[in-house]
Amino acid sequence: SQQGEEDPQALSIQEGENATMNCSYKTSINNLQWYRQNSGRGLVHLILIRSNEREKHSGRLRVTLDTSKKSSSLLITASRAADTASYFCATGGSSGDKLTFGTGTRLAVRP
Amino acid sequence: GAGVSQTPSNKVTEKGKYVELRCDPISGHTALYWYRQSLGQGPEFLIYFQGTGAADDSGLPNDRFFAVRPEGSVSTLKIQRTERGDSAMYLCASSTQVNTEAFFGQGTRLTVV
Repeated sequence: SQQGEEDPQALSIQEGENATMNCSYKTSINNLQWYRQNSGRGLVHLILIRSNEREKHSGRLRVTLDTSKKSSSLLITASRAADTASYFCATGGSSGDKLTFGTGTRLAVRP
Repeated sequence: GAGVSQTPSNKVTEKGKYVELRCDPISGHTALYWYRQSLGQGPEFLIYFQGTGAADDSGLPNDRFFAVRPEGSVSTLKIQRTERGDSAMYLCASSTQVNTEAFFGQGTRLTVV
């Protein structure tokens, strides 16, 4: 079963624009992570935000976490065609639980 | 090795056959995960190991699926009496400990015909 749901399911933007993806989850978490997947192969870790953090940055990525609303957002600024991929959020439970993934957002960046 | 290695990268098998999928994690990583992913879906948790023991196997769909990690390193996912519905991408990941950044292999695409 999926813990989280990403919104939107698909997003198409022009190169240079910003892309925002949202993730909602159901149970209490230790941390929330965002991953990227190209062409249905292996996932690549992008960023991890802990439950006591509200915002985190990494290069062109900005992640926010609102534990009261059980939601997170991933912002990619100044998008590039190479950012085209599927993006997943994954939650780690509060008791050493496994990572549980959401349903993903498919991002297409038009050159 | 530099990353998580999964073999084979593709496997086609006939319905009813037995298959083994192998995962070689990053050296020193104690946590190892198996996920299954269908087209257009997110990875679905199957099982994870802490060292040699299965810490949580609640995602295994039925008793045809089994996984081992006898020496706390390489893991094998075993599927008996394969069915067409088992066709999916099987992903393995490892991490230094559970609940931290996970490193994924490139997956094994299983097709049951």
